[in-house]
Amino acid sequence: AQTVTQSQPEMSVQEAETVTLSCTYDTSESDYYLFWYKQPPSRQMILVIRQEAYKQQNATENRFSVNFQKAAKSFSLKISDSQLGDAAMYFCAYSRSYNTDKLIFGTGTRLQVFP
Amino acid sequence: GAVVSQHPSWVICKSGTSVKIECRSLDFQATTMFWYRQFPKQSLMLMATSNEGSKATYEQGVEKDKFLINHASLTLSTLTVTSAHPEDSSFYICSAGDNSYNSPLHFGNGTRLTVT
Repeated sequence: AQTVTQSQPEMSVQEAETVTLSCTYDTSESDYYLFWYKQPPSRQMILVIRQEAYKQQNATENRFSVNFQKAAKSFSLKISDSQLGDAAMYFCAYSRSYNTDKLIFGTGTRLQVFP
Repeated sequence: GAVVSQHPSWVICKSGTSVKIECRSLDFQATTMFWYRQFPKQSLMLMATSNEGSKATYEQGVEKDKFLINHASLTLSTLTVTSAHPEDSSFYICSAGDNSYNSPLHFGNGTRLTVT
């Protein structure tokens, strides 16, 4: 069975600084997708970034980038130039497909951003 | 863009009653929808996979007779919490995919259920 682990329940960062959220996963599949979702207090799930396992290049989306280490089964999220609006719960997630299969979520990391 | 509408956004019901939550894909057809439950300060836990025109697939430990799922059309899945108890109080979220190559799963805004 696939599992997703986030070992940092809480993280904090100063505005404009950089923070990295950790995520590890376990799977026997060779092809899969990894995601980072943001959940603000409104509890709406917002897709931050995705990574296809078959792609070696790390995904980037503006201030958000990932460090995908397939052999180590590690998938960390780096937020650069942190903004107050980045404060939220962040969930790492795994799926066997991009949009047709279930998501398996990690336990989440609460990110606080200080001015 | 593709939108998933979930209704109601919040509901309070008395213990022993049933509550129905709707999940609609507004501008795409969804053969599969997913129902998650999220307890306070916890992660999203998959409850079941809803398949249009067939029975839902429940995750281990989820009572299928208590959490009835119906996916009668390609745009609507419903979750009915039967004989609700206070421990069923939670945040329920649905998601659906439109099978487009470059489109991720879409999430509803969730339903906060409080059972008194």
